[in-house]
Amino acid sequence: AQSVTQPDIHITVSEGASLELRCNYSYGATPYLFWYVQSPGQGLQLLLKYFSGDTLVQGIKGFEAEFKRSQSSFNLRKPSVHWSDAAEYFCAVASDYGGATNKLIFGTGTLLAVQP
Amino acid sequence: DTGVSQDPRHKITKRGQNVTFRCDPISEHNRLYWYRQTLGQGPEFLTYFQNEAQLEKSRLLSDRFSAERPKGSFSTLEIQRTEQGDSAMYLCASSRTSGSNNEQFFGPGTRLTVL
Repeated sequence: AQSVTQPDIHITVSEGASLELRCNYSYGATPYLFWYVQSPGQGLQLLLKYFSGDTLVQGIKGFEAEFKRSQSSFNLRKPSVHWSDAAEYFCAVASDYGGATNKLIFGTGTLLAVQP
Repeated sequence: DTGVSQDPRHKITKRGQNVTFRCDPISEHNRLYWYRQTLGQGPEFLTYFQNEAQLEKSRLLSDRFSAERPKGSFSTLEIQRTEQGDSAMYLCASSRTSGSNNEQFFGPGTRLTVL
């Protein structure tokens, strides 16, 4: 069965520092991978997605993620964090994306705090 | 361009009562999904529709839960005889079906508290 693991429940970084959020997935076929961000009172917003091709994908708000098949990972990075990036981040894998169903399977999330 | 809307945003009810939530998807989207998110967890898939047809239901969706999308536009999720374990955020998402680039857009959610 498909699953997503986000090993870090909570991370605190200083404003201006670099950020890496970890995500590991378990999926038998080629995975379709996503990172979403959720701010308090807001819905989930898609940051970026990987379907195929270039393993380094660029997203919105200066985020990028790298797909590493050998490590079953899809880590999210940002070179310089802004206070407004404080939120909860979810990694997700799609089940049978583009086919009969594309339900998302989410990790448990990483809560990011940004220190001034 | 209006996004996915959900109503109500918050619902407090007593155990045993019935509740109904509404989701209005983005107008041109023919897929609509319901997810449930409990504290400290990621969203979990409940069910999804393509137009008015309910095509998949998670085993999380007990027989107390029912979802409809009668005209292929808005959807309702009803929970009968609510239990305290039903307390959660209920999220709705919608997407197109064409191609593989069918991003799911999420609504703000309905937070249910069962006392």
